[in-house]
Amino acid sequence: KAGVTQTPRYLIKTRGQQVTLSCSPISGHRSVSWYQQTPGQGLQFLFEYFSETQRNKGNFPGRFSGRQFSNSRSEMNVSTLELGDSALYLCASSLIDRGYGYTFGSGTRLTVV
Amino acid sequence: KQEVTQIPAALSVPEGENLVLNCSFTDSAIYNLQWFRQDPGKGLTSLLLIQSSQREQTSGRLNASLDKSSGRSTLYIAASQPGDSATYLCLGVNTGKLIFGQGTTLQVKP
Repeated sequence: KAGVTQTPRYLIKTRGQQVTLSCSPISGHRSVSWYQQTPGQGLQFLFEYFSETQRNKGNFPGRFSGRQFSNSRSEMNVSTLELGDSALYLCASSLIDRGYGYTFGSGTRLTVV
Repeated sequence: KQEVTQIPAALSVPEGENLVLNCSFTDSAIYNLQWFRQDPGKGLTSLLLIQSSQREQTSGRLNASLDKSSGRSTLYIAASQPGDSATYLCLGVNTGKLIFGQGTTLQVKP
């Protein structure tokens, strides 16, 4: 079966712009979570959605937002990009709840110049 | 503050050695512990998931255990191979946030 699909794989944006990343979970999975990975901070939890509702949110500024659609696909938006937003953004899906573990996509590499 | 700590941060061993990676967490409410490997520039590949009712999981040469009372999980890799070289991450799951350790970067030399 298809895995977690993230698009695009690579993205270059200019400081001040906004960006939208997409994540399609494994078919049947209803939970999608997002993470930011940087060399200095490691993997940090951004937010998690379940059945179109944000279930939990990490400690990121309001410039980072997300949503989940009725087909469980999720998007993450970052507004007013800063150089420090350059990172690998990963999403993960889970079947129903957290007890079933997480499957990760290959990530979107965002570079802000 | 909820934290997940992985020790050691880096490890270099000759091929064939058995090794243990450690993951410690401060939050006793963590009920699931999942181990991943990450190759450079890539996403995370799930290795083992220890659910709340379990204490141990095994897959091939890998064995992971979870001791909630001591706040520790260990990943045991038997007969290491150069293909095992990667960064290994543990993910602690509770009812709130999902917390990753900083990872252990493993190099297995031929």
